[in-house]
Amino acid sequence: EAEVAQSPRYKITEKSQAVAFWCDPISGHATLYWYRQILGQGPELLVQFQDESVVDDSQLPKDRFSAERLKGVDSTLKIQPAELGDSAMYLCASSNKNRRNSPLHFGNGTRLTVT
Amino acid sequence: GIQVEQSPPDLILQEGANSTLRCNFSDSVNNLQWFHQNPWGQLINLFYIPSGTKQNGRLSATTVATERYSLLYISSSQTTDSGVYFCAVERGNNNDMRFGAGTRLTVKP
Repeated sequence: EAEVAQSPRYKITEKSQAVAFWCDPISGHATLYWYRQILGQGPELLVQFQDESVVDDSQLPKDRFSAERLKGVDSTLKIQPAELGDSAMYLCASSNKNRRNSPLHFGNGTRLTVT
Repeated sequence: GIQVEQSPPDLILQEGANSTLRCNFSDSVNNLQWFHQNPWGQLINLFYIPSGTKQNGRLSATTVATERYSLLYISSSQTTDSGVYFCAVERGNNNDMRFGAGTRLTVKP
């Protein structure tokens, strides 16, 4: 079964440094999501793409976070500068909203620790 | 925005026992999914179930959309069922999936 690929699996960085995460969705999935999950809570949406366009980034802290999906396939989420409170699991998901009954599929996530 | 409440927040079972997890949501939805998050953090899709009943092995789910709730049934639980179970709902076709806080299940041998 096709999977959503994410890298790196783990990332440790010092505060004020820059960090980037990469996601490759399931082939053919036009919709891509970045979620952040703080320990003990459910995932919360940061940004949603439809092809290369941002559909929703209302919860993205735009002073330090940025996301792009230039060719409408893979995507990069960047944090600069990282803060201690950014320590969390960053999850990428994709779905095929052009098809009815298309569920969300998640990657394995990137666990970020900011020291 | 739409509110998603899951209960119970924590559940401890003996291996072999059955359980029911509940998800209540505050508005009509056109998409509902149940996920299992394993101890390594991976979110695994269990059911896509905006309405009706589905079964997959020892797991089944029922969504009553008109009454705004969904139930996840786990029968003959195994230690590998341990983890956090999340319900997520989507209100419109281009809206994001909103997650509940999850039910943490521990199955003891």
